[in-house]
Amino acid sequence: SQQGEEDPQALSIQEGENATMNCSYKTSINNLQWYRQNSGRGLVHLILIRSNEREKHSGRLRVTLDTSKKSSSLLITASRAADTASYFCATDLTSGSRLTFGEGTQLTVNP
Amino acid sequence: DTAVSQTPKYLVTQMGNDKSIKCEQNLGHDTMYWYKQDSKKFLKIMFSYNNKELIINETVPNRFSPKSPDKAHLNLHINSLELGDSAVYFCASSQRLRDKETQYFGPGTRLLVL
Repeated sequence: SQQGEEDPQALSIQEGENATMNCSYKTSINNLQWYRQNSGRGLVHLILIRSNEREKHSGRLRVTLDTSKKSSSLLITASRAADTASYFCATDLTSGSRLTFGEGTQLTVNP
Repeated sequence: DTAVSQTPKYLVTQMGNDKSIKCEQNLGHDTMYWYKQDSKKFLKIMFSYNNKELIINETVPNRFSPKSPDKAHLNLHINSLELGDSAVYFCASSQRLRDKETQYFGPGTRLLVL
């Protein structure tokens, strides 16, 4: 079954820097969502971008979607130590009946 | 005022035992899910219920049996536990299945089978 693939698998940056994570997928989608998972916790929804949207902002988060390349990116600006977490993309396939999660990017923000 | 709650948070048990995990959501959502997250953090859907009706049943061993007494609750019963069942199990809910909108996750149940 198709799933989103995040890139990189792990990312380590300094506080204040920007962090960019990418997600690629293989088939048509209705929407793509990004979730955050802090260590030992459940996933928390961050942002949803629909297939007819190209960019979306929420606070320090910026998500882009390129349906021609079947890819999305999540940019976290001015990162903080509290942003340290795993970030997952989830695709809602037009052909499917469920969200399909990628394997996640582990982001570490060093103070 | 927790949105999606699961009990227990930790579960350590012997191989061969039967155990249950409970999930409750107070968001008024119609759809609930069970996911399994392995040691590599890969999240895989197991089951989905919409208004107490089973919608998604992935290729999960029949030792796993979900039960939804009402649309606010989705429990997971596991028979004859095996070492490979060790994982974190997450319950989630969403408002509607059809639109596949935002899912709200519980804190997870960490299952360790010895």
